[in-house]
Amino acid sequence: DVKVTQSSRYLVKRTGEKVFLECVQDMDHENMFWYRQDPGLGLRLIYFSYDVKMKEKGDIPEGYSVSREKKERFSLILESASTNQTSMYLCASNRGGVTQYFGPGTRLTVL
Amino acid sequence: DAKTTQPPSMDCAEGRAANLPCNHSTISGNEYVYWYRQIHSQGPQYIIHGLKNNETNEMASLIITEDRKSSTLILPHATLRDTAVYYCIVRGSYSGAGSYQLTFGKGTKLSVIP
Repeated sequence: DVKVTQSSRYLVKRTGEKVFLECVQDMDHENMFWYRQDPGLGLRLIYFSYDVKMKEKGDIPEGYSVSREKKERFSLILESASTNQTSMYLCASNRGGVTQYFGPGTRLTVL
Repeated sequence: DAKTTQPPSMDCAEGRAANLPCNHSTISGNEYVYWYRQIHSQGPQYIIHGLKNNETNEMASLIITEDRKSSTLILPHATLRDTAVYYCIVRGSYSGAGSYQLTFGKGTKLSVIP
């Protein structure tokens, strides 16, 4: 069974704080993704990584950075959280193609 | 990428088959049809995909019309836990390294009623 886990289900942070969201997958997948999901806007890709230390920008990378030091772990970093980054954050992984396996999501609220 | 059209909502009685339609009239010859679902407050879950032949797995069946302009996802015996938003996707945008980012439309909100 594919398992993608995310460090927190719910997170509340203050404006200006640095926020780390962690994602771990146990299927030895090469590719990992970070999306955010907002009502009416669907799923939007922030960053993805196709190998350790490799990263590519998605559609909305501004205000975010990522880190992939180990194959199983992909971290999303909000350098200085802002209220417009309040959202559901979803991590996914795969070996390629369209089929992706998602974690449970982190609902982040920035006050 | 081909656009998909799904009804916004459907109800299904528990234990009955749920048939969820999707139109993708602009699909091109090498594009697969994928189905995902998202239960409230959880991450999306892959269900099934197909190209032209009908497909079945432990979760669902996928029926694709001969002209490939539409498809139907069938949950043969719906349970309350199948209540979710179901998304039909025709491939996605190429991200690089052999992978595609997913683009979900509004999907169909399926309510399974006891």
